[in-house]
Amino acid sequence: TQLLEQSPQFLSIQEGENLTVYCNSSSVFSSLQWYRQEPGEGPVLLVTVVTGGEVKKLKRLTFQFGDARKDSSLHITAAQPGDTGLYLCAGDQDQGGKLIFGQGTELSVKP
Amino acid sequence: DAGVIQSPRHEVTEMGQEVTLRCKPISGHDYLFWYRQTMMRGLELLIYFNNNVPIDDSGMPEDRFSAKMPNASFSTLKIQPSEPRDSAVYFCASSLTVLAYEQYFGPGTRLTVT
Repeated sequence: TQLLEQSPQFLSIQEGENLTVYCNSSSVFSSLQWYRQEPGEGPVLLVTVVTGGEVKKLKRLTFQFGDARKDSSLHITAAQPGDTGLYLCAGDQDQGGKLIFGQGTELSVKP
Repeated sequence: DAGVIQSPRHEVTEMGQEVTLRCKPISGHDYLFWYRQTMMRGLELLIYFNNNVPIDDSGMPEDRFSAKMPNASFSTLKIQPSEPRDSAVYFCASSLTVLAYEQYFGPGTRLTVT
């Protein structure tokens, strides 16, 4: 059983389209992070959200933490081919160092 | 600044052989994490260290896996004997603080066991 469920698993869109990726759980997390991973490389941290209802923006990317701190979403506006990659959400339940990762969303943005 | 360094980047070995993966964390980081990534199971935490001491090894799959951190700048993950199902990408990450959201990942070692 996956503690963090990401959807969709795969997403193929055209340049300029908007998209949203979801990360859901029945468990509460003290913080939730989003990573982006390119082929042959390790995940790179994009953002961390720690407060229920928190919204953070990173250029065309908007991240939201659910009010109950059980879910999160990543919205990309006007996607570009450079956004292509594997997007991973990861949750920390006890601030003890253990991250639980979702299965990831494979995004492909075609020019 | 140098990031997390892992070696080798690729390893191909035969079933039954011993495999040793190496990691050099970012200087000054007190926490070191070993992860395994597969298509089926995604990214899983195997073990993590704080100040060279193993804190949680509950993710280590079985006794064939062992990890050490003899000093603050070096860690190894050893698999002995290796099996085909160990084929995966193994990542090392380091963190400055106890807060999990400060982790920086290395480029990974792609292990293939034939």
